[in-house]
Amino acid sequence: EVQLVETGGGLIQPGGSLRLSCAASGFTVSSNYMSWVRQAPGKGLEWVSVIYSGGSTYYADSVKGRFTISRDNSKNTLYLQMNSLRAEDTAVYYCARFLTVTTHHYFDYWGQGTLVTVSS
Amino acid sequence: EIVLTQSPGTLSLSPGERATLSCRASQSVSSSYLAWYQQKPGQAPRLLIYGASSRATGIPDRFSGSGSGTDFTLTISRLEPEDFAVYYCQQGIHTFGPGTKVDIK
Repeated sequence: EVQLVETGGGLIQPGGSLRLSCAASGFTVSSNYMSWVRQAPGKGLEWVSVIYSGGSTYYADSVKGRFTISRDNSKNTLYLQMNSLRAEDTAVYYCARFLTVTTHHYFDYWGQGTLVTVSS
Repeated sequence: EIVLTQSPGTLSLSPGERATLSCRASQSVSSSYLAWYQQKPGQAPRLLIYGASSRATGIPDRFSGSGSGTDFTLTISRLEPEDFAVYYCQQGIHTFGPGTKVDIK
């Protein structure tokens, strides 16, 4: 059974740093496109970052230079290192697998999310 | 950059009624990359439709997707109580629509 479990969220002051983890089971993280998607309170979904199976990484403009996505193949875990946090980064952060099957692309599995609150 | 617009913002309907949700892209997109998700309060999004019209595993057949080019539609043929939720369309990995909330009239 495929499962994604995020941890690491919490309350952090502006300017601070936090690292989110997403432990995967039922599939191999390094063989898939893995992404972080966030949702601010009462708002819609916002794509944050992706790491491709080959290791290439991409970021939304809103987090570029501040966030870093990575993975630990031995732990089958995805990470998001978040630095220089701002109030507008407050959101539930989801990790999700982005499946590319033949010509179809979509997020097929999502974690339950972890809440990051940036506030003094 | 492709922008997705969803309408209406809120759809108020009764159980048993038909729901028609629209997703419009700012430029033509490949149907292969258009997906729909359902999200209930406090839960992660759930994949409903991929490739514009293919139902994901376990999704009831009252959900259907259609469209091409710039105009896509999610239809729920007869609303069940558990269908009242927010629905998002998505194109590729970067772009989500703002969502349509389907609530109980």
